[in-house]
Amino acid sequence: EDQVTQSPEALRLQEGESSSLNCSYTVSGLRGLFWYRQDPGKGPEFLFTLYSAGEEKEKERLKATLTKKESFLHITAPKPEDSATYLCAVQAPTSGSARQLTFGSGTQLTVLP
Amino acid sequence: DAGVTQSPTHLIKTRGQHVTLRCSPISGHKSVSWYQQVLGQGPQFIFQYYEKEERGRGNFPDRFSARQFPNYSSELNVNALLLGDSALYLCASSSRREETQYFGPGTRLLVL
Repeated sequence: EDQVTQSPEALRLQEGESSSLNCSYTVSGLRGLFWYRQDPGKGPEFLFTLYSAGEEKEKERLKATLTKKESFLHITAPKPEDSATYLCAVQAPTSGSARQLTFGSGTQLTVLP
Repeated sequence: DAGVTQSPTHLIKTRGQHVTLRCSPISGHKSVSWYQQVLGQGPQFIFQYYEKEERGRGNFPDRFSARQFPNYSSELNVNALLLGDSALYLCASSSRREETQYFGPGTRLLVL
C-alpha cells in the first residue's frame, strides 16, 4: 500500500527564516510526486510535479527536490503570505486503471511578521 | 480561463438524507476525480472518471456513487448520510488520468 508521511506536522517561522518541509514516501513505482498549497477552507493549489530522482523545480521562494525515498520543499526567506498547509501526494500504478493521488497529512506553515 | 468549479459551496444535511455534489472540469480536461478531506488530514481518493467511464474507486462504501456526463462534468452522490460523512469534498480535473490534477474550491458538507 502506498504511504506518504510529511514532517513536521506544524512549523512556525519568522519572516525571512528559511526552512524545509519533508515528504517521505513508499510506493511500488512512482509515476509522479506532487506538491500543493492549501489555504483554510479552500481547495489545494498546484505547485510542482516531480517525476524522477534528482529533479528540482523552483517557483518564487519555493524549491522542490526529489530523491528515491523523499521530497523536500525548501522555502527561502518566507513571507507571511506563504502561511498555508503544504500537501505532498504521490501517483503510483494501481491494480486498476485509475491514477489517483495518495496524500500525506500536510505541514501547516505559519510565517510570523 | 475558468478553473474547476463546484456546487454548492456549503451544504447542511441530516443523517439518512441523500446529497448530490456537482463539478465542472477545466475546459478540455476529460478526467475528473473526487476526494474527501476531513479536518486535519490530506484528501482521500473516492472515484476517478475518464472519458465518462469509472476508472477507479477508493475504499468507500457503496453509499457513494458518481457519474460523468458527455460534457465531462461530474456528480458525486452520497446516500444514507452519516455524521462521519461531514467533510470537504474536492473535485479535481486533469487532461488525462495520469497528468497533474487541478482542484476546485470544494463543497463543505455538514451532516447533523
